[in-house]
Amino acid sequence: GENVEQHPSTLSVQEGDSAVIKCTYSDSASNYFPWYKQELGKRPQLIIDIRSNVGEKKDQRIAVTLNKTAKHFSLHITETQPEDSAVYFCAAHLFSGGYNKLIFGAGTRLAVHP
Amino acid sequence: DAGVIQSPRHEVTEMGQEVTLRCKPISGHDYLFWYRQTMMRGLELLIYFNNNVPIDDSGMPEDRFSAKMPNASFSTLKIQPSEPRDSAVYFCASSLGRIYQETQYFGPGTRLLVL
Repeated sequence: GENVEQHPSTLSVQEGDSAVIKCTYSDSASNYFPWYKQELGKRPQLIIDIRSNVGEKKDQRIAVTLNKTAKHFSLHITETQPEDSAVYFCAAHLFSGGYNKLIFGAGTRLAVHP
Repeated sequence: DAGVIQSPRHEVTEMGQEVTLRCKPISGHDYLFWYRQTMMRGLELLIYFNNNVPIDDSGMPEDRFSAKMPNASFSTLKIQPSEPRDSAVYFCASSLGRIYQETQYFGPGTRLLVL
């Protein structure tokens, strides 16, 4: 069925450490994988996305990797800072029931401790 | 650009009352999405429109929920009658282009509490 699994649900790191969040998806035809950051009480905002024709994408301290064979993709944050503390959602595009959809993971609550 | 605008930002109502949530997408965007966010169920897509036409409403929970988009700059999500389990944050989002190619920009959300 339509499913995006995200792990871990919570992640606590020390400032300066790296953080990795992993997601798996069920539809091998999925071809678009965005990541959103949601700070407390705020709206989700796109931080990076990747399409199926590339395996890795970087933007400063943030990178995303995609393994289409294994149907999983990951978010990597290096040199974490307290302002990185937020809930992070992965999402995957799929075509289901005749419609295109973005299915979101359950979210990872990241806490970066000074 | 002001981004996606939603109103009201907070709504407290009693069970059985009608609730109307409003959204103004980013000018020029041709896709509009309504999401519901709860702790239990996460972010759920309720319905989306393309060029003001509803495309997929399979996420709408039940007949108590309805959505309209009378023009390119306005959409409503209505709940009638409301129930306590409808309490959630409702987000509207818009994008320019296909759902699997373009960024969705979220509004600030409407926090709904049904007593």
